[in-house]
Amino acid sequence: DIVMTQSPLSLPVTPGEPASISCRSSQSLMHSNGYKYLDWYLQKPGQSPQLLIYLVSNRASGVPDRFSGSESGTDFTLKISRVEAEDVGLYYCVQTLQTPYTFGQGTKLEIK
Amino acid sequence: QVQLVQSGAEVKKPGASVKVSCKSSGYTFSDYYMHWVRQAPGQGLEWMGWINLNSGATKYAQKFQGRVTVTRDTSISTAYMELSSLRSDDTAVYYCARDSASLPGTYYDYWGQGTLVTVSS
Repeated sequence: DIVMTQSPLSLPVTPGEPASISCRSSQSLMHSNGYKYLDWYLQKPGQSPQLLIYLVSNRASGVPDRFSGSESGTDFTLKISRVEAEDVGLYYCVQTLQTPYTFGQGTKLEIK
Repeated sequence: QVQLVQSGAEVKKPGASVKVSCKSSGYTFSDYYMHWVRQAPGQGLEWMGWINLNSGATKYAQKFQGRVTVTRDTSISTAYMELSSLRSDDTAVYYCARDSASLPGTYYDYWGQGTLVTVSS
C-alpha cells in the first residue's frame, strides 16, 4: 500500500498569516496519463470532509483562491496564503492512484 | 441540488452485521461511482471500497475483503454498505462519498453526513 505521511500534525496559526501543510507519498503518484493523483480535503469540526484540491493543484468549485496546492516529486504541499477563522479543521491528503486509496494522518489547523 | 442522505446510527454486538444506506438525489444516480470511507473515533479517514452505480461492479480494500459488501438499488437511487463479523475496532463513522466522474482523477465532490456504527457487547 502507498503510505501518505503528513506534517505537521498540529498547526496553530494566527489569522491573516500563511500556513503550509506537507504530504509525502511512499511512491510516485504519477498516472500514465501524466497526472498525479493527489487530492486534499478539509474536515471542519462536526462535518463531513469537503474537497479542496484535486490532482495536486486544482481548486474545487467554491474553494477560495487563498488555497493552493503544489508538488515536487513525491512531496506535496497545501498552502493557505492568509488563514481565516473558518479554515480551522482537519486537513487530509489522499492518493487515488491505486487501491487501497490511502489518506494521510491529518493535520489539525487551529487558530492561535 | 445533490444530496447524499445516510441512515441513522446503529449499535451492534460483536459478531453481528450492519447495513448502512446512502440515498442520493439531485443527479443521475447510475452515472457515477460511490465510495465508502470510515473514520474511527479521533482517527483519520480510511477507504473501504467503491461501487459502479451503473454496472454494480465493486472494488474493496484488501483489509475488508470477505467482510464488506457494497450494493446498490437503482430504482431508489440508494447505495448500501454491509459489514459483517463486526469487532470493537469497527466502531466508526461510515461515510458514502460520490466520485465526481470528472476525468482524469478520482475525487469526492459530495459526501453523506456519516453514520455512526458502535460495536459493543
